[in-house]
Amino acid sequence: DAKTTQPTSMDCAEGRAANLPCNHSTISGNEYVYWYRQIHSQGPQYIIHGLKNNETNEMASLIITEDRKSSTLILPHATLRDTAVYYCIVRAFDMRFGAGTRLTVKP
Amino acid sequence: DAGVIQSPRHEVTEMGQEVTLRCKPISGHDYLFWYRQTMMRGLELLIYFNNNVPIDDSGMPEDRFSAKMPNASFSTLKIQPSEPRDSAVYFCASSNRGGYTFGSGTRLTVV
Repeated sequence: DAKTTQPTSMDCAEGRAANLPCNHSTISGNEYVYWYRQIHSQGPQYIIHGLKNNETNEMASLIITEDRKSSTLILPHATLRDTAVYYCIVRAFDMRFGAGTRLTVKP
Repeated sequence: DAGVIQSPRHEVTEMGQEVTLRCKPISGHDYLFWYRQTMMRGLELLIYFNNNVPIDDSGMPEDRFSAKMPNASFSTLKIQPSEPRDSAVYFCASSNRGGYTFGSGTRLTVV
């Protein structure tokens, strides 16, 4: 599986968009980009995934660059409940987690 | 759907004892994964199954750890004998071809 690089931590003001970057310069053609988050000690929660097109669902949007070497997860209107560790993973199938980005949403 | 169900939620055991963690995946999911999470090492993939068959157990730390999946609706992760360094949160996840669904985890403390 390709390696990913994410910032260790980020802050965001409540109500503003949170933009979480991820670099995956060694991604292969058949590897998807997945995003998960983990709130406190709960199990990780699936957010969104994509191959090469931008994706949007009720939780977030995923923007993947044309060369697929990086992506950005966008939470359009962050709330305090979005405070969590966010993991970016690229995989063909089995999922191996890095350290992720600790997002803190502040009032 | 009740999601992925793990039991017990918490387990405290003495060093040297056998520990068995249980997981019921989502019906229809043909992949099952066991992870371990600690502060030092983060989330580690231990083993995963496809159609009840172990596919990759390279993450299993040592022979004291074993996992089975006797049928599509049940899996166990066993540690025998347990050691204090096995203290962690153990997560089970299941999937078909898309995203994984994780259980709530079992917090294991070995004293």
